[in-house]
Amino acid sequence: NAGVMQNPRHLVRRRGQEARLRCSPMKGHSHVYWYRQLPEEGLKFMVYLQKENIIDESGMPKERFSAEFPKEGPSILRIQQVVRGDSAAYFCASSPRQEEQFFGPGTRLTVL
Amino acid sequence: GESVGLHLPTLSVQEGDNSIINCAYSNSASDYFIWYKQESGKGPQFIIDIRSNMDKRQGQRVTVLLNKTVKHLSLQIAATQPGDSAVYFCAEILDSSYKLIFGSGTRLLVRP
Repeated sequence: NAGVMQNPRHLVRRRGQEARLRCSPMKGHSHVYWYRQLPEEGLKFMVYLQKENIIDESGMPKERFSAEFPKEGPSILRIQQVVRGDSAAYFCASSPRQEEQFFGPGTRLTVL
Repeated sequence: GESVGLHLPTLSVQEGDNSIINCAYSNSASDYFIWYKQESGKGPQFIIDIRSNMDKRQGQRVTVLLNKTVKHLSLQIAATQPGDSAVYFCAEILDSSYKLIFGSGTRLLVRP
């Protein structure tokens, strides 16, 4: 059973471009969570999704950020018009139910 | 011994010694706690968890202690090995929630 997959592992964007981060949960997991991590800090919750539904997006900035988890395919975290402050590691986790979250390897976003 | 560096506090131990990593959590309503290990360039990896109705739980070479009175959590690693070198985070989940709230982390360095 493959773990949580994230791609790309590294993403470089110039200010104003769009960033799309993908997350494929573990097989059988219907809960997906996105977290952001700045260097030398703990992870911060952004959004929690189940298939086709956003359950909680209270940790996500209201502008430029969006997330989806369609019926088919991976979960996508989308950042429009990126700024330097968006540079961070973005981690996806999945779980078969609440609490047991398994993390992917992360996508490291660098905004030039 | 333990020291506070520029960013993450660092614990340096001799290979074979026992390590104790401490964490203070913030919310008395938290009822589930997890320790994660994060190696450089990787996502957090589950180590051990404990519920609030317990004060101690043991795994393979690891023990978690929970003191609800002072809202303190500790991770004990027996016979520390070089492969244990990583950043360790505690995380809490509030009652009936799913959001992992991460602590600030401790870097463990194992001297050969």
